[in-house]
Amino acid sequence: EADIYQTPRYLVIGTGKKITLECSQTMGHDKMYWYQQDPGMELHLIHYSYGVNSTEKGDLSSESTVSRIRTEHFPLTLESARPSHTSQYLCASSEPNKNGYTFGSGTRLTVV
Amino acid sequence: GQNIDQPTEMTATEGAIVQINCTYQTSGFNGLFWYQQHAGEAPTFLSYNVLDGLEEKGRFSSFLSRSKGYSYLLLKELQMKDSASYLCAAPTPNDYKLSFGAGTTVTVRA
Repeated sequence: EADIYQTPRYLVIGTGKKITLECSQTMGHDKMYWYQQDPGMELHLIHYSYGVNSTEKGDLSSESTVSRIRTEHFPLTLESARPSHTSQYLCASSEPNKNGYTFGSGTRLTVV
Repeated sequence: GQNIDQPTEMTATEGAIVQINCTYQTSGFNGLFWYQQHAGEAPTFLSYNVLDGLEEKGRFSSFLSRSKGYSYLLLKELQMKDSASYLCAAPTPNDYKLSFGAGTTVTVRA
């Protein structure tokens, strides 16, 4: 059973719209991450957080922003969506010094 | 940063064995992960190696050689449901962010 939830699962929106991708986890993990993955390509880290009020940019530059006001919630926002933002966005969390990440089911975003 | 290389794709028949190799060059070492990702789904954890040697988990085994910067994932008695992408990943030593390889797409044929 998934303990990390992403909504929506699929989203098709028009260019210029503002969107927020939701990610919540019930495991009490401090560390949370957002990855972007194009079909058949590798995962790229775009944002991460080590706890409340902590957010950092990842290795891949992204026009999105994130916030971490509560431990369990790590939403990602695009102020003005463009077709180049079309991708799959995966949220993950981990415990300190524990093995591996737990991933959400992902949001597949299409901007038309 | 982490530099991780693995083959793009492999094909095998049902019941066979496939070995997926991964080489890595990391700034420090804090273990190596393998994940399975079915098309359109999220990655799921398969294995974690931090010491040299082979770790066996049912039909899947993972091997690590730290001196060679090399790991492999061994899939035995292949089943059709094993068709997926297999991702090699390594965390950065200090902050534990995971860097992923591009993934190896394994296709199992009847």
